[in-house]
Amino acid sequence: QKEVEQNSGPLSVPEGAIASLNCTYSDRGSQSFFWYRQYSGKSPELIMFIYSNGDKEDGRFTAQLNKASQYVSLLIRDSQPSDSATYLCAVNIAGGTSYGKLTFGQGTILTVHP
Amino acid sequence: ETGVTQTPRHLVMGMTNKKSLKCEQHLGHNAMYWYKQSAKKPLELMFVYNFKEQTENNSVPSRFSPECPNSSHLFLHLHTLQPEDSALYLCASSQRQGQETQYFGPGTRLLVL
Repeated sequence: QKEVEQNSGPLSVPEGAIASLNCTYSDRGSQSFFWYRQYSGKSPELIMFIYSNGDKEDGRFTAQLNKASQYVSLLIRDSQPSDSATYLCAVNIAGGTSYGKLTFGQGTILTVHP
Repeated sequence: ETGVTQTPRHLVMGMTNKKSLKCEQHLGHNAMYWYKQSAKKPLELMFVYNFKEQTENNSVPSRFSPECPNSSHLFLHLHTLQPEDSALYLCASSQRQGQETQYFGPGTRLLVL
């Protein structure tokens, strides 16, 4: 089992719709979770982080965390064509070390069509 | 300059060349990271430095040699690379190693011929 799993997509949604991106992780001890957006040919940029169970909202973005189910998701409301990118889920995996290691999923390609 | 910068942005090198990648962060962070991103593969952590000390080497071949002279600068020295080493090399920094958010530089696109 991969440490961080995402559906690679592509996920295609119409403009104005809600895009739902999902991520599961293997380490029950993980404490911090991040969503990054990466445009083609660019480096990842942070969208949100979440540490506690429940929802965290920032503008059109909502991160949802369920530690019992080892599941984290990102909802994008009112999707825009400019949201078209690869979305990377990252989880700090303890792995027996004191620091942990940020481990990335393979990313979900999102396409928002007009 | 703000954030995390990387030079060069693009690099083409032969398998017998020696080159270095440079990363500089202007965020006052104490941890710096090298990642490799190959096509259709997840980001792979290569090295971590925390307060100038190397704390992670993710089984990286010795043809990649990192150097961290201070908390603001990170280098990746390259020698006798293979074509499969062609990838986007990303530098990142965070306040300290652990739970904190990592911020990425623009990357160096490397092509090994």
